[in-house]
Amino acid sequence: DQQVKQNSPSLSVQEGRISILNCDYTNSMFDYFLWYKKYPAEGPTFLISISSIKDKNEDGRFTVFLNKSAKHLSLHIVPSQPGDSAVYFCAASAKYGGSQGNLIFGKGTKLSVKP
Amino acid sequence: EAGVVQSPRYKIIEKKQPVAFWCNPISGHNTLYWYLQNLGQGPELLIRYENEEAVDDSQLPKDRFSAERLKGVDSTLKIQPAELGDSAVYLCASSLYSGGSYEQYFGPGTRLTVT
Repeated sequence: DQQVKQNSPSLSVQEGRISILNCDYTNSMFDYFLWYKKYPAEGPTFLISISSIKDKNEDGRFTVFLNKSAKHLSLHIVPSQPGDSAVYFCAASAKYGGSQGNLIFGKGTKLSVKP
Repeated sequence: EAGVVQSPRYKIIEKKQPVAFWCNPISGHNTLYWYLQNLGQGPELLIRYENEEAVDDSQLPKDRFSAERLKGVDSTLKIQPAELGDSAVYLCASSLYSGGSYEQYFGPGTRLTVT
């Protein structure tokens, strides 16, 4: 049973518009969430994170929103650029328990930004 | 600052042969992770080290997989013997635990093909 779900395998957006990538989780013990970006033949690159004590975190063109009651988070990219085309992974971690600090990843969403 | 280094980048072997992957984490990072990534999936944790100690190896198939992290720096992941289903990308990551921050930094991965 997947604890972190990214239900959209792909997303296509026009350059300059907003990209919204979604992620749902099932484990209520998760308290830290991260987004990673991955280009082909490279490892995932850390993009942005959010703690469960916040509902929004912003870094330049990237904003992550967290809705704890819905167990849902989203990544907004505004404005989208062709260089943003990559696979985006959502990941979650729990602060307590035997798996403290371990990341659980979703399957990823492939974003294509068209010029 | 140098990132996580992995070698080799690509490896092709025949089934039943042994194979080893090497990882050098970011300097000063005490926590090291090995992940397995299958096509179309997110990374899945195999083993986690804190310094020299393997603190979570619950997902490591111990009948054929082994790992070590001597002196708490470099790490080696070994498969012996390899099976066709082991074809995947093996990722190494490192982090510096800083009380609530769980960002992990990934290497480029080793793509293993077992024929």
